[in-house]
Amino acid sequence: DGGITQSPKYLFRKEGQNVTLSCEQNLNHDAMYWYRQDPGQGLRLIYYSQIVNDFQKGDIAEGYSVSREKKESFPLTVTSAQKNPTAFYLCASSWRGSYTEAFFGQGTRLTVV
Amino acid sequence: KQEVTQIPAALSVPEGENLVLNCSFTDSAIYNLQWFRQDPGKGLTSLLLIQSSQREQTSGRLNASLDKSSGRSTLYIAASQPGDSATYLCAVRPGGATNKLIFGTGTLLAVQP
Repeated sequence: DGGITQSPKYLFRKEGQNVTLSCEQNLNHDAMYWYRQDPGQGLRLIYYSQIVNDFQKGDIAEGYSVSREKKESFPLTVTSAQKNPTAFYLCASSWRGSYTEAFFGQGTRLTVV
Repeated sequence: KQEVTQIPAALSVPEGENLVLNCSFTDSAIYNLQWFRQDPGKGLTSLLLIQSSQREQTSGRLNASLDKSSGRSTLYIAASQPGDSATYLCAVRPGGATNKLIFGTGTLLAVQP
């Protein structure tokens, strides 16, 4: 089945640790995105990538880092510099271009303990 | 700056009722608008995508309309069922920023059996 796989589903992080969230897609999409969702707020864009080895900051990139070494993979690292990392993280992908439809994974819930 | 608003924030209806969810956006320069469904603790499922040149899209019991000039979209759900209970999110893809979706905060729908 084609789709977007995020892992793990739940992740716990201690203060001061970096953690990496995985996102893999087999839809052959060029563009991939990371969003953060907090209660009562809309989804906010962290980073996005249109092609391999290229990515751009979104609205709330501070404290996060990404890489795009393969077309199908777009991992997100939440660094210790992120002040409030507890949130639900969603990965998405789409074809490049202005009129494309976005598809989302099932999300990773990150909790700082 | 593009802003997306969804009203109401929550809605409860009896089973079988037809209902309308609203989405408004401040800048009419968009490429498309997408409606999503989100179940608790899950990712987003794409329901309908309306391109800027279209007026409406239909899928089963769902019908989405778009009035770009007035900055409004509606999602009509016919003959609601308890299984329709979820949060419904709309998102616009703004003109000039082709790889970024801007989301509303969603409408939490409860369909009572």
